[in-house]
Amino acid sequence: EDQVTQSPEALRLQEGESSSLNCSYTVSGLRGLFWYRQDPGKGPEFLFTLYSAGEEKEKERLKATLTKKESFLHITAPKPEDSATYLCAASDSSASKIIFGSGTRLSIRP
Amino acid sequence: SAVISQKPSRDICQRGTSLTIQCQVDSQVTMMFWYRQQPGQSLTLIATANQGSEATYESGFVIDKFPISRPNLTFSTLTVSNMSPEDSSIYLCSVVGGQNTEAFFGQGTRLTVV
Repeated sequence: EDQVTQSPEALRLQEGESSSLNCSYTVSGLRGLFWYRQDPGKGPEFLFTLYSAGEEKEKERLKATLTKKESFLHITAPKPEDSATYLCAASDSSASKIIFGSGTRLSIRP
Repeated sequence: SAVISQKPSRDICQRGTSLTIQCQVDSQVTMMFWYRQQPGQSLTLIATANQGSEATYESGFVIDKFPISRPNLTFSTLTVSNMSPEDSSIYLCSVVGGQNTEAFFGQGTRLTVV
């Protein structure tokens, strides 16, 4: 069964303290691995798509990487406005649906 | 990326009643998806709506409870029928991007059933 697992569930960092969020996936024939940001009361906001192992993408303080079994979202020198829930998701070769992980709640203290 | 508008953004409903949520997309799309996000949880796919055919429901979701319409390539509705407090959730409409990979979401409908 296709599955996406994220860790940790919650992460509290001091402003400027870099860290990484983990996403492990079990998907037959990965078509795409996605990262989203979700603020309270809003729909998920698309961040990145990764297609193959070794691929990396960056946006401001965020960098997403992909291996054959997991993806990492690295956050460098975070700011309080980076506080949000970060969701990982994957689609399989049929691309008929996208499976979401349970998310990591990130909190950045000033 | 597609621009997706959902209405209403939030509602408080009495148990036993029904609510219809509308989703409008600014471009034509083949598939539209409806998700539920219960408090503190991630997204669970309810059904996939294709224009001109019956919606495909995921395990645990049935058409009588969540009827879906898809009258054209830019619009869909989801009805939450005979509501109970357990239906209190955020309901999200989604479409897949141009390369048929990443999904884009509306702002969601926050439903509270009392």
